[in-house]
Amino acid sequence: AQSVTQLGSHVSVSEGALVLLRCNYSSSVPPYLFWYVQYPNQGLQLLLKYTSAATLVKGINGFEAEFKKSETSFHLTKPSAHMSDAAEYFCAVFSSGTYKYIFGTGTRLKVLA
Amino acid sequence: DSGVTQTPKHLITATGQRVTLRCSPRSGDLSVYWYQQSLDQGLQFLIQYYNGEERAKGNILERFSAQQFPDLHSELNLSSLELGDSALYFCASSVVEGNTGELFFGEGSRLTVL
Repeated sequence: AQSVTQLGSHVSVSEGALVLLRCNYSSSVPPYLFWYVQYPNQGLQLLLKYTSAATLVKGINGFEAEFKKSETSFHLTKPSAHMSDAAEYFCAVFSSGTYKYIFGTGTRLKVLA
Repeated sequence: DSGVTQTPKHLITATGQRVTLRCSPRSGDLSVYWYQQSLDQGLQFLIQYYNGEERAKGNILERFSAQQFPDLHSELNLSSLELGDSALYFCASSVVEGNTGELFFGEGSRLTVL
């Protein structure tokens, strides 16, 4: 079965510092991977997605993620954190066999002034 | 605005009661997903419908049921409510079944069971 694991339920970074949110996946077939963001009192919205076209995926708000098959990872990065990036971030995998989108447990990002 | 509408936004009820949560997907989206988000369980997939038919089932309790109507809106029925059912319930829609693209989420229905 396909799954994703997010390492670190809470991450704090200083404003202007590098953001790195970790996601590892488990899949017996080429995965379709996503990062979503949830701002307080809102639903989730898509940041970026990997569907095998390119290993480095650029998303909205300056975020990007790199698919590394050898490491089964899809970590999310942003070179310089902004206060507005404070939110919860979810990694997700789409299972083509079951048509399920499976979400990780989420990482809450805190940006310190 | 994702285009997905969920009602009610907030709901407070007592144990043993029954509630219905409603979701209107984006115009043209045939697939509807329901998720439960709680502090201790994270975002749990409940069930998916495509054009009126159930397509995938996740960790949905027997006390819960859902359906998708001909106009594509969906309802999630929660019965014999327990304190542990208190959570944020999200609906999401996508264009087609098995789409590897984006899920569009509503803002959720916050259920509090007292």
